Amino acid sequence: ETGVTQTPRHLVMGMTNKKSLKCEQHLGHNAMYWYKQSAKKPLELMFVYSLEERVENNSVPSRFSPECPNSSHLFLHLHTLQPEDSALYLCASSPTQGGNTEAFFGQGTRLTVV
Amino acid sequence: AQSVTQLDSHVSVSEGTPVLLRCNYSSSYSPSLFWYVQHPNKGLQLLLKYTSAATLVKGINGFEAEFKKSETSFHLTKPSAHMSDAAEYFCVVSERGQAGTALIFGKGTTLSVSS
Repeated sequence: ETGVTQTPRHLVMGMTNKKSLKCEQHLGHNAMYWYKQSAKKPLELMFVYSLEERVENNSVPSRFSPECPNSSHLFLHLHTLQPEDSALYLCASSPTQGGNTEAFFGQGTRLTVV
Repeated sequence: AQSVTQLDSHVSVSEGTPVLLRCNYSSSYSPSLFWYVQHPNKGLQLLLKYTSAATLVKGINGFEAEFKKSETSFHLTKPSAHMSDAAEYFCVVSERGQAGTALIFGKGTTLSVSS
């Protein structure tokens, strides 16, 4: 147990649906991240939030919309996804953003787009 | 830009034999380096990290890694493999002073352990 909790663990959605992924940490960390893990590909950093401000957006399509209402919670809102968006979505947090601090990962949400 | 290359996509060993997972990095600054492990259907767990202190870093479950600046390597080793070590292993780099940069992952090495 890393202290980072993601819900739901599994999600199946149609291409016209709207859903949200939730991430929660009570470690007192100031930075939170969304990563995408697809089969046969390295982990892709999607979004970085530091002190609730978005500091990085790695050219992620607008059908993915992050939200960080406070330092303990991070959401990823999904709408009109494509089948190629099926992947494991991992949330992570760290005490600060970047530098030499490790990140603590949740167990991920396995997303299937049909 | 910083990057990591994991030289083997798949490593197979027998239980009780040594493990070597290779990683080379590219960095403009003095890097911080990490190894993470991911068991099936689980999130990532930190094995160990190097942050410019001792070059030989000991981690959990008997793993260790040595930072070699001259070779730009950070290979992961374990003297004796256990069946429970079968998993995906990721070498990761993070640099100071890179505003907006988080952890950058290698492609991963799948470790198989046979009895």
